[in-house]
Amino acid sequence: AQTVTQSQPEMSVQEAETVTLSCTYDTSESNYYLFWYKQPPSRQMILVIRQEAYKQQNATENRFSVNFQKAAKSFSLKISDSQLGDTAMYFCAFMTRGSSNTGKLIFGQGTTLQVKP
Amino acid sequence: NAGVMQNPRHLVRRRGQEARLRCSPMKGHSHVYWYRQLPEEGLKFMVYLQKENIIDESGMPKERFSAEFPKEGPSILRIQQVVRGDSAAYFCASSPTRGAGSDTQYFGPGTRLTVL
Repeated sequence: AQTVTQSQPEMSVQEAETVTLSCTYDTSESNYYLFWYKQPPSRQMILVIRQEAYKQQNATENRFSVNFQKAAKSFSLKISDSQLGDTAMYFCAFMTRGSSNTGKLIFGQGTTLQVKP
Repeated sequence: NAGVMQNPRHLVRRRGQEARLRCSPMKGHSHVYWYRQLPEEGLKFMVYLQKENIIDESGMPKERFSAEFPKEGPSILRIQQVVRGDSAAYFCASSPTRGAGSDTQYFGPGTRLTVL
């Protein structure tokens, strides 16, 4: 069974600085997707970034980038130039590809990020 | 293009009553997923449906919970005889094709169920 672990329950960062959120996962699959979702106080789940496991290049979306280490099963999220609106809970999620997949997302426990002015 | 819609946003029920949660997927999406988020926890998969079919219900409790996605109308998650432990946020997500492809799930705003 796949598992996703986020070992940092809470983190804080000063506005305009950079912060990295950690995520590790466990799977025997070789073909899968990884995601970071953001959940602000409104509780809406918002997709931040996604990575396909067969791609070696790390995904980037504006100020958000990932460090994907497939051998280590690590998928960290880096937020550059942090803004007050980045304050939210961040969830790492895993989905297998291939015939065994039913579209199920497996989420980590979440990391609460506070951006301080 | 409207996003995934869920209603009601907040639902209060007394123990033993029934709760009905509705989800309308994004236009053009035919795949719906339900997740439950208990306080201070991550989301847990409950069920995956396509139109008129349940594809994977491995995360759904065996009793009191059911889900449907009829040919016409929204997907419904139904909880019978609710108990306090059912209090949670229930999220619906949709995707345009089966999740095994390259498609991403887009989430609705959630329904917060409180059982008194």
